[in-house]
Order: sequence, then C-alpha cells, then structure tokens
Amino acid sequence: AQSVTQLDSQVPVFEEAPVELRCNYSSSVSVYLFWYVQYPNQGLQLLLKYLSGSTLVKGINGFEAEFNKSQTSFHLRKPSVHISDTAEYFCAVSDENRDDKIIFGKGTRLHILP
Amino acid sequence: DGGITQSPKYLFRKEGQNVTLSCEQNLNHDAMYWYRQDPGQGLRLIYYSQIVNDFQKGDIAEGYSVSREKKESFPLTVTSAQKNPTAFYLCASRLGRYNEQFFGPGTRLTVL
Repeated sequence: AQSVTQLDSQVPVFEEAPVELRCNYSSSVSVYLFWYVQYPNQGLQLLLKYLSGSTLVKGINGFEAEFNKSQTSFHLRKPSVHISDTAEYFCAVSDENRDDKIIFGKGTRLHILP
Repeated sequence: DGGITQSPKYLFRKEGQNVTLSCEQNLNHDAMYWYRQDPGQGLRLIYYSQIVNDFQKGDIAEGYSVSREKKESFPLTVTSAQKNPTAFYLCASRLGRYNEQFFGPGTRLTVL
C-alpha cells in the first residue's frame, strides 16, 4: 500500500542555518510528490511539486527538494532559514494508478531558534 | 480571486448536535476533499468527490456525511454519531491527478 513517512516530528534549527526535512514514500508505480507548508491555524500552501523531469525541484520561499527514486525519498532543503519559516511541513504523494487521492505524511514541525 | 472558502472559521456546538461545515470553490476543479487534522496525526481523509453527485468514503468517514449537488460546493456534516468531533477541518480541491490540491483556511470545530 502507498504510504509516506516523515522521519522527524520536530526539527529545531538556528536562524540562518541550513535545514533538511526528510520524507520517504512507498509505492510500486510512478509517483507525483508534493511538499506543503502550514502556518498556525491556516490551511496548507504548496511549496513545490515533482511530476516528472529534473529530480531537483525548486519551490517558493527558497526551498528545494530532490527526488531520489532508488532511495524512494523526496527530502526538502533550505540553505538558510529565517524566523518566518517556523511552520509545519507536510510531504504528500499520489500515484498514476490511484484515483484522485493524495496521501500525506504526519508532518514535521520546524522550530527556528534565534 | 480564485480560491476556496470555508465557513465559519470557528464553530462551537453542544454534544449531540449535528453541524454542517461549508466549503465553496471557484477554481472550476472537479475533485474536492475533506480532511480532519488533529495534533501529531497529520491529515486524515474523511470524504472525497471526483464529480458532481458522486463521492467516496475516505479513511475516517464514520460519523460524517457529505453531499455534492454543485461543482462549487462540498458541505460536510458532522453528526452526533462522531465520537470525538473536536478538530480542525480542512477542505481542498484539485484539478486532476497530475495537479496539486488547493486548501481552504480551515474550520476549527469545538464540541462542548
């Protein structure tokens, strides 16, 4: 069955330091991958998506992610975080054989330390 | 501006009462979704609809009901059968399987 694992429930990082949020998925067919951000008491906003093509995907707010098929991973990175990046981040996957459902990970809360 | 609206933002109800959460989109998307969010649980799918007058149960449909009479609207009713209804509810829509979901701002339901 298709699933998404976000390995860290919380990640503390100092301001201006780099960060990586990890995401692994399981699926037997071609997948489409997404990262969303959620600020407190708001809906989710798309950061970036991978559908096909280049495995390095650039998104909004300086984030990027790399699709690694052999590792079944789609880790999110930012070279220098800002206090405004404090939020919860969700990895999500859908595949070409399923209906319109998207499966979400349980989220990673990013804490920016001053 | 195109987008998804959910109303109300905060909702309080007494135990045993049914309550309906509104979700409207003007993005002309065929698919619409309802999720429930609890701390540390991520998003859990309640119901989804791929086309008007059709919908499917998600992973936690018990105690909830939906309708899809119009493309733009996908209301969710939380019934008295839902054992623990207090949560943050998110509505989303999607153009198709090769596209991302767009989310509304959410409704926080508190049952007293």
